[in-house]
Amino acid sequence: DAGVTQSPTHLIKTRGQQVTLRCSPKSGHDTVSWYQQALGQGPQFIFQYYEEEERQRGNFPDRFSGHQFPNYSSELNVNALLLGDSALYLCASSFVSRQNAEAFFGQGTRLTVV
Amino acid sequence: SQQGEEDPQALSIQEGENATMNCSYKTSINNLQWYRQNSGRGLVHLILIRSNEREKHSGRLRVTLDTSKKSSSLLITASRAADTASYFCTITQGGSEKLVFGKGTKLTVNP
Repeated sequence: DAGVTQSPTHLIKTRGQQVTLRCSPKSGHDTVSWYQQALGQGPQFIFQYYEEEERQRGNFPDRFSGHQFPNYSSELNVNALLLGDSALYLCASSFVSRQNAEAFFGQGTRLTVV
Repeated sequence: SQQGEEDPQALSIQEGENATMNCSYKTSINNLQWYRQNSGRGLVHLILIRSNEREKHSGRLRVTLDTSKKSSSLLITASRAADTASYFCTITQGGSEKLVFGKGTKLTVNP
């Protein structure tokens, strides 16, 4: 059973560019959440997708957008990259019908903005 | 703050000793979960404890929850060098399923 998979594992972008990160949820899971983790900090919630719609959003600007596909996989897009967007981006999947059940995380994508 | 706050921020022990880390929060919760993170990579789920539970065990891990004190503790018994990692507690509140994290406890287990 494959867990949560994220791609790519590392990425270097230039300020002002756009980036797309990808996530495949754990088998059987239908909900995907994205988190940003700056160095030395805990993960911060960006948004959650369920049934191809954004279900909940954290305190992130509109430059951060996402998408969920019919197969439950998801993308995180960040436009107009800033140096401060450099972080580890984590995807988590869960099963919405099991309210407040465990969320499983991928290994993350390390984004460096130069 | 709505997030869980772990204490201590850093903990260094010898292999074989027990490690205890604590988490405090300020609001009512649905559940509290503990995660482990090795070397800034993905988070590994350890234990979920619901608000109506007081204690849970998983292998060498023991988690307690005191909702009256709004606190939880994670005990790792007979620690190993492989337990070296950052440990995070996270809470869910109300109708929200987003996980709210603290800054974590960095545990170092010396061989």
